[in-house]
Amino acid sequence: EDKVVQSPLSLVVHEGDTVTLNCSYEVTNFRSLLWYKQEKKPPTFLFMLTSSGIEKKSGRLSSILDKKELFSILNITATQTGDSAIYLCAVFMNYGGSQGNLIFGKGTKLSVKP
Amino acid sequence: DTGVSQDPRHKITKRGQNVTFRCDPISEHNRLYWYRQTLGQGPEFLTYFQNEAQLEKSRLLSDRFSAERPKGSFSTLEIQRTEQGDSAMYLCASSFTQGSWHYEQYFGPGTRLTVT
Repeated sequence: EDKVVQSPLSLVVHEGDTVTLNCSYEVTNFRSLLWYKQEKKPPTFLFMLTSSGIEKKSGRLSSILDKKELFSILNITATQTGDSAIYLCAVFMNYGGSQGNLIFGKGTKLSVKP
Repeated sequence: DTGVSQDPRHKITKRGQNVTFRCDPISEHNRLYWYRQTLGQGPEFLTYFQNEAQLEKSRLLSDRFSAERPKGSFSTLEIQRTEQGDSAMYLCASSFTQGSWHYEQYFGPGTRLTVT
């Protein structure tokens, strides 16, 4: 069965800390891995990773994919209270012979305390 | 606003009633997806369209669920004979695909369904 597993499920840190969120996957017909941020609204897109070892960065956020070990990490440096959210990892795969299905993990709930 | 829009944002219905939700994707996107999200879970894929063709529907939760995208633009998701277990957030997303390449999905605000 295809699955995406995120860890930890929840995390509490203080402002200024650096955090690493983990995502591992077991899927057939892997195409790409995506990270989303979800606050009290639908997920907003952060990164899409297709190739191993190439880091993607956006401000204090960065992510990298390891297709050999089947995992990705999302790093957030110098965390701020506005980073508090659920971070979702999703794998885009071919499904049923067609392209175009995202399988999501349960998410990591990050709480950043002032 | 040129993002994905959904209507209504909230729907309260009594068990056994039928409900229909609408999604308007980003105009240049040719793919449209429906997901369901319950508390503490990531979105769960239901179905998707490329233009007007429904390419995957085996993940629809039961035969009470159906979706259409008649002209390849907006889509509707209908739930017949609603049950309390159908209470959830229903999310729509859209993306652009060309050949074998795909781009990220953008989500709408969702329709929160409560079945009493």
